[in-house]
Amino acid sequence: DQQVKQNSPSLSVQEGRISILNCDYTNSMFDYFLWYKKYPAEGPTFLISISSIKDKNEDGRFTVFLNKSAKHLSLHIVPSQPGDSAVYFCAASAPDFGNEKLTFGTGTRLTIIP
Amino acid sequence: DVKVTQSSRYLVKRTGEKVFLECVQDMDHENMFWYRQDPGLGLRLIYFSYDVKMKEKGDIPEGYSVSREKKERFSLILESASTNQTSMYLCASSSEHGTLGGYTFGSGTRLTIV
Repeated sequence: DQQVKQNSPSLSVQEGRISILNCDYTNSMFDYFLWYKKYPAEGPTFLISISSIKDKNEDGRFTVFLNKSAKHLSLHIVPSQPGDSAVYFCAASAPDFGNEKLTFGTGTRLTIIP
Repeated sequence: DVKVTQSSRYLVKRTGEKVFLECVQDMDHENMFWYRQDPGLGLRLIYFSYDVKMKEKGDIPEGYSVSREKKERFSLILESASTNQTSMYLCASSSEHGTLGGYTFGSGTRLTIV
């Protein structure tokens, strides 16, 4: 039972344009959400997070939006750069174990076309 | 530079063998995790530990056990390796005093069971 889903396995975007990665979740107990980025042969690295008390969080070129009623979050990257080409995982946590246990999605491979 | 180090990058073992995957972190983190990454399934939690000698089952613990005798080291054990345990294994750690959900991952061990 996949509680966190990323329905697009891959996405290609022109350099300089906006990249939008989507994520849906089913567990209503999730109250904290994160995005991780993974390059080949490396472990994932933390990118940005958002608490369920917010609907938007911004960090430089990266913005995460949360729609609790739709159980949907998205990551916007503007402008997209070649170094953004990677696999992106969304993740969610619930208050059990102090929100430290993450449930990850299946990942979206983003390719930025120069 | 803070690190999570996984002992092997690539490993090939035979069916039925007992396999040990080692993970060491140098950040004095309380929490440690083992995930496996498979195409189309994302990252799935096998076991985690929030203190020395403490362990909790994740979403897919069957066929695995763990050991945490020292704070910095978290070992994953495949009791009797099977071909369906061929996967990329990722270790991570986090601090209860750091960014919520902000894991530091190792580079992964690609394990092949033949």
